[in-house]
Parts: sequence; structure tokens; C-alpha cells
Amino acid sequence: EAQVTQNPRYLITVTGKKLTVTCSQNMNHEYMSWYRQDPGLGLRQIYYSMNVEVTDKGDVPEGYKVSRKEKRNFPLILESPSPNQTSLYFCASTEGWAPNSPLHFGNGTRLTVT
Amino acid sequence: AQTVTQSQPEMSVQEAETVTLSCTYDTSENNYYLFWYKQPPSRQMILVIRQEAYKQQNATENRFSVNFQKAAKSFSLKISDSQLGDTAMYFCAFMKHNNNDMRFGAGTRLTVKP
Repeated sequence: EAQVTQNPRYLITVTGKKLTVTCSQNMNHEYMSWYRQDPGLGLRQIYYSMNVEVTDKGDVPEGYKVSRKEKRNFPLILESPSPNQTSLYFCASTEGWAPNSPLHFGNGTRLTVT
Repeated sequence: AQTVTQSQPEMSVQEAETVTLSCTYDTSENNYYLFWYKQPPSRQMILVIRQEAYKQQNATENRFSVNFQKAAKSFSLKISDSQLGDTAMYFCAFMKHNNNDMRFGAGTRLTVKP
């Protein structure tokens, strides 16, 4: 089944403790991205990647890192989480440069930083 | 930068009735794509319908249809014969023609009442 898999689904952590949210897709998609969803703000892009070893900042990259060593994986790293990073996070992927190609989303990760 | 505005934070409709969700966007591009995504309580992001800006004909998908007004930069979603399963958050999204970057509105929470 074609899908984007995110883990974990829920995560509670404390300020400053490094964490990684994993994302994997099995559709051979070139483009992958991370969004955070907050009430009243919709989804805002954190980072995106057009292909392996190519990553770029989105609208809200501060406090986050990503890597794209393999085509299928695009982990989101929070080196020193803070309470303002409490949010719902989505990984998404699509075929690169394909017109009219919608994003395929993972099931989300609910992160709480205390 | 493109912005997407959904002016209705919450809406409700009676089962079997019709409801229209509003979306406006701001862009200087001539060629682009517009999408409506549905997010039920399960948190999945589900593509509902898409529209290419160069097509004058409004897209339809079963009970879902759009009213695309390019000059007015408006892209509303009409849900006919509303069902309880339509209860969800609905996001309007914009994508430029040559770019996979998708911009989202803040969302409209729709409740279908029995």
C-alpha cells in the first residue's frame, strides 16, 4: 500500500531533550516536506526536500533540522525542544515537479513539550 | 508570497443539506493549482478535490464541487447532501505550477448535525 509513515504518533518530552520524528514513504517520491499545524494558523511548512541531499527552509524552520540521506526517509530533528514547538506535525510527499500532483500526508505526530 | 484565507473558522449544516466553504487566495501567478483537503478527527489529511487554474470548468467529485472564480481569486467548496461523515476540518491549499510547495489556509471546522 502506498503510504507515508510517521513515527511516533504521540510524543511527550521535556524542554531541551533532543528528539527525532521519523518519516518514510514507499512511493519513490522525490519531494518531501514537514508541516506543523496549529489552531487558527493551518499548516505551515518547516522544511522541504526536492531530492536526496537537497533540503531547504520553509516558513518556520527555526528550532528544527532535517536530513535526506535516502530518497524514502526524511526525519525531523528537534535538537533542543521548547514548549512553543508543541504542535501537530505532518510529513508529506509528492512526485517532484509533477503538475497537479497533490501531497500525500502521514498520519501526524502530536508533540507536547513540557 | 502566496497567501490563502479561509474566513469561516467554524460552520455547521444539517444532514442532507448543502453547505459552502469559502476560500480566497492572493497570488501574482497565472498558472497554479488549488486543492481542498479534509481532516477528520482521525487527523488524516485526505484530498477532496483539485482544480487547475487554466481550466475554466469547475471540478466536481461526487457530492463535492468547487466554484472557481479566477479573477476574484476565490475557490469555494460546495458539499451537497451533507453526511455525518463529512464532519471534519477543511483546508484550502494553493500550489504554484512549477513548485511543489503547498500553502494552506487556517481551516474551517465543519459539523454536520443529525
